Amino acid sequence: QQQVKQSPQSLIVQKGGIPIINCAYENTAFDYFPWYQQFPGKGPALLIAIRPDVSEKKEGRFTISFNKSAKQFSLHIMDSQPGDSATYFCAASKSGGYQKVTFGTGTKLQVIP
Amino acid sequence: DTGVSQDPRHKITKRGQNVTFRCDPISEHNRLYWYRQTLGQGPEFLTYFQNEAQLEKSRLLSDRFSAERPKGSFSTLEIQRTEQGDSAMYLCASSLGGMANEKLFFGSGTQLSVL
Repeated sequence: QQQVKQSPQSLIVQKGGIPIINCAYENTAFDYFPWYQQFPGKGPALLIAIRPDVSEKKEGRFTISFNKSAKQFSLHIMDSQPGDSATYFCAASKSGGYQKVTFGTGTKLQVIP
Repeated sequence: DTGVSQDPRHKITKRGQNVTFRCDPISEHNRLYWYRQTLGQGPEFLTYFQNEAQLEKSRLLSDRFSAERPKGSFSTLEIQRTEQGDSAMYLCASSLGGMANEKLFFGSGTQLSVL
C-alpha cells in the first residue's frame, strides 16, 4: 500500500522556471512532511519540512504548500538552476518519536541551462 | 560533523552468499536506521536502533536479514543466503533523538548487486 503518492515521475524545466512537485498522503496520523533531495550516488538529504499547522513554508528558493483538508502538499522551486537537477522525494512521518519515514516514489528533475 | 559513513560503497555477490555492510553514524547521534532503496523508488524503512537496542523491524526484513549495533556506535547489516531480489541500495541514517525538529542524515549507501 503506497501511503505517499508523488507526481510527476520526471520533470524537465528551463533555467529560471518553477518546477512543481505534488504529493498526497493517506494516513491522517502523519504530522511531519519533509522533502529530500538526492543526487546520483548519494543518499537523500533533507531539503525542507513542514508541519500541518501551517499552509506554507519558504526556505531560500524552496517553498512547500500544504493543504491539510485535501491531504496534499507540494514543492515549488523558484528560479531553478541546473544545479537543482536531482531526484526529489516527498515524505511523511509521525512526530514525537523516531524517524520512521514513508517516502514517495520520487521525481527526477532536470533543469536545462 | 563528518557525516554518516557506509562501507563498502558497492558489493557484487553471487546468489546464496552472505554479505555484511557497515554503517558509522554521526558520533553524537543515538538513533540509527537502515533503509532500502530500489531503482526508481523511494527508500523503505527496514529497522531502527535507539543506542544499542533494536526497537523496530519492518516486515520487509525477513529472517535472512540481521542488524546489530553493538555498544550503540557503528551498525552492521547482514544478509544471509542472498537472493536476486535483495539487489538494492542499502542506506543507513542517523539522528539525534529528542530534538524538536529531529533531522535524519543519510549516508551514501551500499549498492548491492546479487548475480
